[in-house]
Amino acid sequence: NAGVTQTPKFQVLKTGQSMTLQCAQDMNHNSMYWYRQDPGMGLRLIYYSASEGTTDKGEVPNGYNVSRLNKREFSLRLESAAPSQTSVYFCASSRARTDTQYFGPGTRLTVL
Amino acid sequence: GQSLEQPSEVTAVEGAIVQINCTYQTSGFYGLSWYQQHDGGAPTFLSYNGLDGLEETGRFSSFLSRSDSYGYLLLQELQMKDSASYFCAVHQAGTALIFGKGTTLSVSS
Repeated sequence: NAGVTQTPKFQVLKTGQSMTLQCAQDMNHNSMYWYRQDPGMGLRLIYYSASEGTTDKGEVPNGYNVSRLNKREFSLRLESAAPSQTSVYFCASSRARTDTQYFGPGTRLTVL
Repeated sequence: GQSLEQPSEVTAVEGAIVQINCTYQTSGFYGLSWYQQHDGGAPTFLSYNGLDGLEETGRFSSFLSRSDSYGYLLLQELQMKDSASYFCAVHQAGTALIFGKGTTLSVSS
């Protein structure tokens, strides 16, 4: 079992460019999450999907969109990247919304 | 509203015991989790308290007092490899986990 995988591991964008961060899990979990982590700010929830076919906003959703492609995959899209979106992005999954979360290795994104 | 408070930094020496506190204010609370994150790594689950009292897992223990809206993570026989960030996270009805801002633990020899 690979657990939670994320691609890419590193990315550099110019302001205004778009990109999609991919996340997949092989644990048959129902719920999936996207977080961003900035120094001193902890883990801030961007969006989550409690189950296939549903998505909900978290604490910091502005500038992002998500797609729950199927039970395994949950993608995060930046339509027009801004320097304020420079961060480490983590995907996580859990059996149910209220259960222990398992995290992917993260994507380190820099927007110039 | 909802809030979680934990110290930003804690320092200790090898072999010592350290306690990281977490106080919370939230509605629909039903449990508290702790996660560990090493520098450059991903957060990993350490423990969960759904009921009042102490949960022990090896050198680590976690405590919850619902009446005080308070919990702590206790790390015993500290080792250098315990240097990491530790996050408390609140489980509450109707939404995803809410994480604290984390406590950076530095263990020195």
